Amino acid sequence: EAQVTQNPRYLITVTGKKLTVTCSQNMNHEYMSWYRQDPGLGLRQIYYSMNVEVTDKGDVPEGYKVSRKEKRNFPLILESPSPNQTSLYFCASSPPFRNNEQFFGPGTRLTVL
Amino acid sequence: AQSVTQLDSQVPVFEEAPVELRCNYSSSVSVYLFWYVQYPNQGLQLLLKYLSGSTLVKGINGFEAEFNKSQTSFHLRKPSVHISDTAEYFCAVSGPLSGGYNKLIFGAGTRLAVHP
Repeated sequence: EAQVTQNPRYLITVTGKKLTVTCSQNMNHEYMSWYRQDPGLGLRQIYYSMNVEVTDKGDVPEGYKVSRKEKRNFPLILESPSPNQTSLYFCASSPPFRNNEQFFGPGTRLTVL
Repeated sequence: AQSVTQLDSQVPVFEEAPVELRCNYSSSVSVYLFWYVQYPNQGLQLLLKYLSGSTLVKGINGFEAEFNKSQTSFHLRKPSVHISDTAEYFCAVSGPLSGGYNKLIFGAGTRLAVHP
């Protein structure tokens, strides 16, 4: 089944404890992206990747890192999480030339205490 | 920069009634427009998209949307809703002013609540 998977689905952590949220897609998509969803703000892009080893900042990159060592994986790293990063995170991927039909993962709900 | 405004944060409606969810975007250049749906505890799913051509776009689950360039709107409609349509709906745009056609700019979302 074609899908985008994220792990973990739920995470409660404390300020300053490094964490990684994994994202994997099995559709051989070049483009991958991370969004955060906050009430009243919709989804905002954190980072994106056009292909392996090619990443760039989105609209709200502060406090986040990403890497793209393999085509299928695009982990989101929070080196020192803070309470303002408490949010619902979505990973998405899309194929080339499909005009932005992005496929979304199920989401990761992160709480930073 | 491009932006998307969803005019209603919540829309309550009775089952089998028609519904319209409103979306306006700001752009002076050609854009692509999308509606996504998010069911409770799930990711986003594409409902429909406008790229070019006919201004009336049909999507899944009986939804349709009309692109109106002069009013810069892309309202979503369904003639008769079901309880299962209860979800949050997001309008999104992409284009040269949003950072490229790969990047989606989302509205804040409209929560549709269908009551029996």
